[in-house]
Parts: sequence; structure tokens; C-alpha cells
Amino acid sequence: DTGVSQDPRHKITKRGQNVTFRCDPISEHNRLYWYRQTLGQGPEFLTYFQNEAQLEKSRLLSDRFSAERPKGSFSTLEIQRTEQGDSAMYLCASSLVLGGTTDTQYFGPGTRLTVL
Amino acid sequence: GNSVTQMEGPVTLSEEAFLTINCTYTATGYPSLFWYVQYPGEGLQLLLKATKADDKGSNKGFEATYRKETTSFHLEKGSVQVSDSAVYFCALSDPAGGSYIPTFGRGTSLIVHP
Repeated sequence: DTGVSQDPRHKITKRGQNVTFRCDPISEHNRLYWYRQTLGQGPEFLTYFQNEAQLEKSRLLSDRFSAERPKGSFSTLEIQRTEQGDSAMYLCASSLVLGGTTDTQYFGPGTRLTVL
Repeated sequence: GNSVTQMEGPVTLSEEAFLTINCTYTATGYPSLFWYVQYPGEGLQLLLKATKADDKGSNKGFEATYRKETTSFHLEKGSVQVSDSAVYFCALSDPAGGSYIPTFGRGTSLIVHP
């Protein structure tokens, strides 16, 4: 068990550019979550996948945000036409949910995005 | 909707003091409850959890008891250390509707002085 990994750890970009972040979950986990965290706040849920299916995406912040998990393993989060307000920490988490088991999430270290 | 309310920080203590961080929740279903800890510059780490009423989660000297009657899950530690300085998040996962969309509190910063 190598834990959840995220890449890159830090990203600095100019306003208007597109950025893509990658998350590799714990290998046997079937659920993968994306969150945004701003300074002094708790994680804000964005979207999640069960295997390759995106089951909830209504909380993505705008249509500039999109996520994929093409083969049910790693996932990518893309932000198009970045704005300064997108500057935040983007967290990924994974969990194994089978039947009625508790959804215990394990978090990656996050990707810190700075939009200039 | 679901919500989690934590006491505002920062909480500042001397080493070996007793710690309590209050957490209350509202949920439509019968949630599982969690405490996560975040050290500076890092992601969240699961500290402890409880899945049903009167369960006590514990880890590294921290404890929290799931109190359904008061909808609370307060975090306690008998003797804090400088290394416990971090931000603590209370969270719930509500299986109502099968979505499990988690809800986090805003976090409580703990500062422990030698």
C-alpha cells in the first residue's frame, strides 16, 4: 500500500491557461474523490467516481472544471481558462466501498495551484 | 442538508494539557463520523472514526465518542504534545441515498507550546 499520490505537488500558471492534475489512488480502491481546499477552510467536495463512472459532478465549480477516470484507476482533474480565484489546494482521496461498508477516505498530499 | 460545525480556533495549549475540540453535526441519514488531522503543507490523514451510536474511535491517544442524542463527536486527548500542533477536521459520511458525499467542518487549529 503506497498511499494516494498526486502530481504535480505545486503548479504555478498564468491566468487563462489550462492545467491538469493527476491522482493515483490506492490500488484496490474503487472510489476516487476530488476536493478543493482554500486557506482556513475544510475540503470542499467537487466530484467522485465509482470505478470509471462519475457519479456526482453537479458540484464542480463551473463548466471550466472537468474530471476523468478512464480505466477506473488514476484520475485527472482539468481546469480550463484558469482564473485567479482558482488558486487553492486540490485534494484527491480514495476509498473502498463494498455493500454497506463505511466510506473511509484516504487523502493524497494535494496539488497547490497558484494562478498569477 | 448535512452540516458539520466545529469550534473556532486557534486552540492554544501548553504541553501535557487536556484537549477538547467540539464537533456537532446534522445529517439526514445515519452517518459515519471521522476526525482528520492536517499537518502544515500536507494532505489530510485519518485520525479516528466511529460508525454507530456510542462507538468510541481512538488513535494515538485521541478519542471521540459518537453521541447520537446530542449529535456530537467531540475530540479529546488527555495530554497533548508539541507534535500534535496541526489543524483538525471533523467530517461525516452519510449513506442516505447511496451517495456518501462527505461533509467537512472548517477545521480547528491546535497550537501546543512547550
